Amino acid sequence: DAKTTQPNSMESNEEEPVHLPCNHSTISGTDYIHWYRQLPSQGPEYVIHGLTSNVNNRMASLAIAEDRKSSTLILHRATLRDAAVYYCILRRTTSGTYKYIFGTGTRLKVLA
Amino acid sequence: EAQVTQNPRYLITVTGKKLTVTCSQNMNHEYMSWYRQDPGLGLRQIYYSMNVEVTDKGDVPEGYKVSRKEKRNFPLILESPSPNQTSLYFCASSLFSGTSGNEQFFGPGTRLTVL
Repeated sequence: DAKTTQPNSMESNEEEPVHLPCNHSTISGTDYIHWYRQLPSQGPEYVIHGLTSNVNNRMASLAIAEDRKSSTLILHRATLRDAAVYYCILRRTTSGTYKYIFGTGTRLKVLA
Repeated sequence: EAQVTQNPRYLITVTGKKLTVTCSQNMNHEYMSWYRQDPGLGLRQIYYSMNVEVTDKGDVPEGYKVSRKEKRNFPLILESPSPNQTSLYFCASSLFSGTSGNEQFFGPGTRLTVL
């Protein structure tokens, strides 16, 4: 079964870059890699997604390994507001629909 | 304002008493989904719907029912709740285009306790 594996927790200093890793060794060719984050007492919110190529948006960058078995979410300059649980997710297309497979997430602590 | 709403936000009930958690979105999204979140297990998909009258099971569908009679609404029904369904529930919606990533928008969550 497809799943993602992430470290339980990570720490970063404010204003420094953060690299959040994710392993998804059972990924299929059409699975999209999504990242969401969950702030305390809120629902998850979208961060970024990709299929094969690295992606950048205003929130973060996503680096995808060439074999697609791992990916890294990069926050270029962590702020205190980035403290959250970050989820690496596979979006699998089956029979013309989507299923989402969440990992257990990485709790990011940002130190002032 | 584009949003996903859930009601109730908090619910305490007893074993066996049928309940419904409502979910509504105002973004004309085709895809809607229910998740439960438990400590140490992250989020797990319960049911999802690609459009009106089209639903399918996620990874943990046992003990739950859903319906999609209107595009904007996707209620989660627990016919006979049990204590192991005590959890935090999230509804989400997104476009369904078959291509690209399609960002999901999540509701604020419903905390359910079954005694």
